[in-house]
Amino acid sequence: DVKVTQSSRYLVKRTGEKVFLECVQDMDHENMFWYRQDPGLGLRLIYFSYDVKMKEKGDIPEGYSVSREKKERFSLILESASTNQTSMYLCASSPGGQQLGNTIYFGEGSWLTVV
Amino acid sequence: DQQVKQNSPSLSVQEGRISILNCDYTNSMFDYFLWYKKYPAEGPTFLISISSIKDKNEDGRFTVFLNKSAKHLSLHIVPSQPGDSAVYFCAASGSGGSNYKLTFGKGTLLTVNP
Repeated sequence: DVKVTQSSRYLVKRTGEKVFLECVQDMDHENMFWYRQDPGLGLRLIYFSYDVKMKEKGDIPEGYSVSREKKERFSLILESASTNQTSMYLCASSPGGQQLGNTIYFGEGSWLTVV
Repeated sequence: DQQVKQNSPSLSVQEGRISILNCDYTNSMFDYFLWYKKYPAEGPTFLISISSIKDKNEDGRFTVFLNKSAKHLSLHIVPSQPGDSAVYFCAASGSGGSNYKLTFGKGTLLTVNP
């Protein structure tokens, strides 16, 4: 079974702190994604990566950065956390070179509260 | 600009009846559509998909219908079960260099009452 593991399920951080959310997948997938889910807004794409050291902005990249130094690991970084970044963050992965469909796999999510 | 719209935030049905969840899209470049199911505090899980070359795809109790001319798709669940209670997200992907990205709707909360 494909597994996407998000290292922290629940975090509470202070405004202005630097926050790292880590994600690891075990299926040698090329593509990795970070989404956030907010009530009434659905899932919104923050950043994605289609290869090691490659990244592209999604729909809401402001206030975030990412790092992909190894194929299996994709990190989301909040340089200076703010209260409007309180949300559920979802990491996902999929194989490269083919249409998405039943091949995108999500992690269980990380609940971040910024106080 | 919302490219994938789920206009019903919630839906309540009785166990055993049909649940119909609707989704509209605006981007004519979308050619692959998916439904995901999400329980609270869990990540979304893939449910069923449909390519734009088809108008129907069925998997057990779940059927997705696609009307390309209307840019509309729907998910039918028959018969509905209490375990189907979850948030359902419609998603779309398209050609033109973005076929590995998904655009999601805002979701519909389905409640199936025993």
